[in-house]
Amino acid sequence: QVQLVESGGGVVQPGRSLRLSCAASGFTFSSYGMHWVRQAPGKGLEWVAVIWYDGSNKFYGDSVNGRFYISRDNSKNMLYLQMDSLRADDTAVYYCARDGLQWLLSLSYFDNWGQGSLVTVSS
Amino acid sequence: SSELTQDPAASVALGQTVRITCQGDSLRTYYASWYQQKPGQAPILVIYNKNIRPSGIPDRFSGSNSGNTASLTITGAQAEDEAAYYCNSRDSSGNHVVFGGGTKLTVL
Repeated sequence: QVQLVESGGGVVQPGRSLRLSCAASGFTFSSYGMHWVRQAPGKGLEWVAVIWYDGSNKFYGDSVNGRFYISRDNSKNMLYLQMDSLRADDTAVYYCARDGLQWLLSLSYFDNWGQGSLVTVSS
Repeated sequence: SSELTQDPAASVALGQTVRITCQGDSLRTYYASWYQQKPGQAPILVIYNKNIRPSGIPDRFSGSNSGNTASLTITGAQAEDEAAYYCNSRDSSGNHVVFGGGTKLTVL
């Protein structure tokens, strides 16, 4: 079965960097686009970024554009989110999620989610 | 990017029908999807491409779309359906994703 397991979260000071990882298994990782979605404590879901199945294209939400960078290693079935210049309002649970379409990109539905990794930005 | 608007809360009596709506300009062009999220858990996809249920989702969940409004209907709500429900779609640019603010459903 599809499994997505995030790691790398923790407490970090404002202005510092952190890298999240998402280990994928149970499906052909290299044929699916992947997303990061976050959820601040007590708040709703916010889309963060997407990467094409082959890494050829990436798009970011307005609030993280220029500070966060999504990448993947298809040889290791891994997805990453490099987060730079972190701010207090980046505090959230970060989920990796699989796009619903193989080879193409739906950008409209995510059919599998990890359990999330908590990032707390605080001095 | 465009926005999707949901009512913050809704309630339904056990066994009755409830409709949760999601409004946004991008819904005139792109399908909405719906997710259920219970406290402390990751979201689960319940409806995509307007009205398709993933495997394992009960058939009491259905979706529809009219103009700029997408709807999630639960027919015969069960106690386990108490959760937050989020809609999402592509935004108007077509390259970004947007989520609604979520509707917290209480089953009475």
